Amino acid sequence: QVRLVQSGAEVKKPGASVKVSCKASGYTFSGFFIHWVRQAPGRGLEWVGWINPDNGGTNYAQKFQGWVTMTRDTSSSTAYLELNSLRPDATAVYYCAREVKGFDYWGQGTLVTVSS
Amino acid sequence: DIQMTQSPSTLSAFVGDRVTISCRASQTISPWLAWYQQKPGKAPKLLVYKATNLASGVPSRFSGSGSGTEFTLTISSLQPDDFATYYCQRYKYDSYSVTFGGGTKVEIK
Repeated sequence: QVRLVQSGAEVKKPGASVKVSCKASGYTFSGFFIHWVRQAPGRGLEWVGWINPDNGGTNYAQKFQGWVTMTRDTSSSTAYLELNSLRPDATAVYYCAREVKGFDYWGQGTLVTVSS
Repeated sequence: DIQMTQSPSTLSAFVGDRVTISCRASQTISPWLAWYQQKPGKAPKLLVYKATNLASGVPSRFSGSGSGTEFTLTISSLQPDDFATYYCQRYKYDSYSVTFGGGTKVEIK
């Protein structure tokens, strides 16, 4: 069965970086875009961007350009989201999701807390 | 950027009620509209894709309708498991961007 399993919660200080992973299984990893979506505490869903696992192509929401980087490792069927120069307002749950017809499978979410 | 506006932001209803949630896009997006259900502490769950198509395993009491810029999610008979927050989403395969609506929280009356 299709599964997206994300790495565990992180606590970082302002200015640090963090890399969140999303390991896919149960389907052909290179066949479908992986999106990242974040949700700040008590807030709605916010799209961060996507990566094409087939060729590594990326597209980031304008708000996140310059401080997020999406990569993938096809050998391990894993997508990564790196957040740089973290600020306290980056505190959120970050989800990965597969796009087929809509976002049909989601990871369990990774809480990133930015605090001094 | 395309903006997605959901209404209402909060909705109170009884079990058994018919519930409708609206979503308006700032420009035509047909048919690239999806609906998600999210419960506290959980990842969103896809309910409807391409405006009217029910996702696999979703109960038939859920339905999506609309076209152009106006879309609706209907729950024909609200069940206890349906109390959650619902989001619309503009998407498209290989799309340049994706946008979520602000969400509608369905509460028990």
